[in-house]
This record gives sequence, structure tokens and C-alpha cells, in this order.
Amino acid sequence: AQSVTQLDSQVPVFEEAPVELRCNYSSSVSVYLFWYVQYPNQGLQLLLKYLSGSTLVKGINGFEAEFNKSQTSFHLRKPSVHISDTAEYFCAVSDLIQGAQKLVFGQGTRLTINP
Amino acid sequence: GAGVSQSPRYKVTKRGQDVALRCDPISGHVSLYWYRQALGQGPEFLTYFNYEAQQDKSGLPNDRFSAERPEGSISTLTIQRTEQRDSAMYRCASSLRAGDNTIYFGEGSWLTVV
Repeated sequence: AQSVTQLDSQVPVFEEAPVELRCNYSSSVSVYLFWYVQYPNQGLQLLLKYLSGSTLVKGINGFEAEFNKSQTSFHLRKPSVHISDTAEYFCAVSDLIQGAQKLVFGQGTRLTINP
Repeated sequence: GAGVSQSPRYKVTKRGQDVALRCDPISGHVSLYWYRQALGQGPEFLTYFNYEAQQDKSGLPNDRFSAERPEGSISTLTIQRTEQRDSAMYRCASSLRAGDNTIYFGEGSWLTVV
């Protein structure tokens, strides 16, 4: 079984500052990793995913994440945030057999951008 | 449709009543998923379908919860004899093919049991 820990429930940052949202996972098998974003009053939207290959994954809206197998982490980063990035961010994991059919999510990190 | 559509968006029901939540996936999508998200938590898997066949229902918390997708398109999640602990956001998602690594979520149905 897999599990995901998002170490920060809330992250406040100033506009144009860099941000890192942390995600650690636990699994006894190889995994796929995902970051989803939920903007206010909207559904979950896929930001990026790691399936295989390069450990640095680029997603939409200038976000990127790096898969670190030795540290079992998949932290999300953006070099300069905008007010519109205010949202809740969820890290998720699945095993290679289930694919995205059975995602295990973290508890979420609420990112608040202050002007 | 253009996206995954869920209804109702908000439902308040009295304890003991039955509730049906509907999901209309993206047109042509083979797989359909149900997740539940309690306040302050991440989504938790409930069940999923490929076409009309329910492939995995291991996440359904007890036998008051059931789901169907009789014609391989629209799905209904039914909760019988609702309890206050059932209050949550119920999320539906779909994917074009079975085993796809990208699934598309709807806006969710908020259920409050009073």
C-alpha cells in the first residue's frame, strides 16, 4: 500500500517569491506521482505527473517537480508565484499496476499568495 | 460533454435518508472513478468502472454505499440511510481509456447530512 504526506497544510508567500510545496510518499513498489491543483470553486486539475524517465517534470502554469527516489519525495516548485496561483495543491501516488485508476492523495497544501 | 459533470452540486439531507449523486463523464471516456473528500483531507478512492463493469469497489466504506453505471456512461453513487459521517465532497472523474494516467475530475458534489 502507498501513502502520501504533505508536510505543510498551509503555505503563505508573497507575490513573485519562489515557493516549494513538499510531498513525501511511502511505497514498497515503483510508483507514479502526480500533483493536482484545485482552484476555488473548481474541480481538481492535473498540474504534472512523473511516470518514468527524467526526474525533473515540468507542468502547467510554470510549475515543476523533482522525483527523488532515495528521499521518496516529489516536491513541487515555482520560481515566481502569481496571485492566481492561490489554490489547494494535492500530491498523489499510484502503483504501476493500477496507474491513475486508484490514486492515493495527500491531505493537501493550501497556497496563499499575498500581494 | 466538455467536462465531467456532477449533480447536484450541493445536497443537504436529513440523517436516515437515501441520496443519489450523479456523474456524467466526458463523452467517450471508458473509465469512471468515484472519490470522497472529507473536509481538510485529500480525496479517497471509492470505486471505478470500465464501461459498465465495476472493476474495484474496495474503497466503498460499507454496504450503505453502492455505485452503478448501467450503460457505460452516466454513473450514480447511492448512499442509503445517510449518517452525519457521510458528509463530504464526492468527486467523480473519467479517463479516455482504461489504465490512462490522466484522469479528469468534475467539480464535485457537496453532501451535508444533518
